[in-house]
Amino acid sequence: QQQVKQSPQSLIVQKGGISIINCAYENTAFDYFPWYQQFPGKGPALLIAIRPDVSEKKEGRFTISFNKSAKQFSLHIMDSQPGDSATYFCAASINAGYSTLTFGKGTMLLVSP
Amino acid sequence: EPEVTQTPSHQVTQMGQEVILRCVPISNHLYFYWYRQILGQKVEFLVSFYNNEISEKSEIFDDQFSVERPDGSNFTLKIRSTKLEDSAMYFCASRQLSGGNTIYFGEGSWLTVV
Repeated sequence: QQQVKQSPQSLIVQKGGISIINCAYENTAFDYFPWYQQFPGKGPALLIAIRPDVSEKKEGRFTISFNKSAKQFSLHIMDSQPGDSATYFCAASINAGYSTLTFGKGTMLLVSP
Repeated sequence: EPEVTQTPSHQVTQMGQEVILRCVPISNHLYFYWYRQILGQKVEFLVSFYNNEISEKSEIFDDQFSVERPDGSNFTLKIRSTKLEDSAMYFCASRQLSGGNTIYFGEGSWLTVV
């Protein structure tokens, strides 16, 4: 019940295309859903996060869509760039994020020039 | 921008040896974490630490693991007797107590047990 399931495992997108990564969760106590971006040799860094009281959050080219009834959320990267090539992890937490993170398995994104 | 720093970046150790991984969290942060990532796997929570005591730990964090804040700046993870399956990237992380729930991760310490 604590798991966060993430798909796809890897993704190749052409420059300028839309990258979409999906996550699903079971624990209805989760109330904070961040996405982390990890470049090789670096630690995960917070990219964008959403609370379940909204269905969408947009920051620049990055958008989280959240479906509370389906217990799913997704990351959309618009106009994908080669510099976006990284591993993306969805995560979930309780207590509005003031608690430990449960991560998905990650999606390796490659944006081809 | 303030960052979490970790040392060493890479350590190779023999099975059964003790290892200490060190972290300097962001200076005004009071909540500290260790996570680990086995190669190709997801990032897994190990332990959280606040007010000089463990506040939460996972099943992975058994008696072979311990954490300590020996002074005002360092936060350490000790593995008493390493096993091959302890080989992983260990991430230290920290966050503020309040006023921001973002968890900031260090660049990791890559532990290889041979």
